[in-house]
Amino acid sequence: QQPVQSPQAVILREGEDAVINCSSSKALYSVHWYRQKHGEAPIFLMILLKGGEQKGHDKISASFNEKKQQSSLYLTASQLSYSGTYFCGTLPHAGNMLTFGGGTRLMVKP
Amino acid sequence: DTEVTQTPKHLVMGMTNKKSLKCEQHMGHRAMYWYKQKAKKPPELMFVYSYEKLSINESVPSRFSPECPNSSLLNLHLHALQPEDSALYLCASSQGIRGAEAFFGQGTRLTVV
Repeated sequence: QQPVQSPQAVILREGEDAVINCSSSKALYSVHWYRQKHGEAPIFLMILLKGGEQKGHDKISASFNEKKQQSSLYLTASQLSYSGTYFCGTLPHAGNMLTFGGGTRLMVKP
Repeated sequence: DTEVTQTPKHLVMGMTNKKSLKCEQHMGHRAMYWYKQKAKKPPELMFVYSYEKLSINESVPSRFSPECPNSSLLNLHLHALQPEDSALYLCASSQGIRGAEAFFGQGTRLTVV
């Protein structure tokens, strides 16, 4: 079952912060975050494996609450280059393949 | 080399044509994937090859026929497609076999006329 992302779209000014949420109805083994710019391939940003784990990548960080089956992506002091569509991908504990959420379109304006 | 290379980048084909999409990776990954992506939608899994064998076919119509000649190459043969098959076709590879931490190619933008 597809994880649910919110919000569906965000418009920011350069330097502002944003949070993108991803929630699943299944018990999760890991959460993955990707960014896709228009007309380009999705780029893998980070994987979160353990409940409570937090990771960072430049000014982009993420957390994973295993109990709530939720993950959040934090974009701090956004830059123009952060624009794109962010997808979370969730992997359940057993069996199935990675499933992508519906995506969050982020636009950063000067 | 952390690239997945796809050719061609763009393809226009008629409904009676036969064409092939190609994908190559040199990262030694054990799994390779074909995804279909429509505008403003997430990638949708079509096929998974693990250790060069087809392990998952997500009920894809037979007009799409995958082939894995060796561990580095993946093809998608197209025949008698419909206009609704127009989409971005993405190839990906990963070390694990469940799609995690996958590297994606730039995709082939397919238009069926």
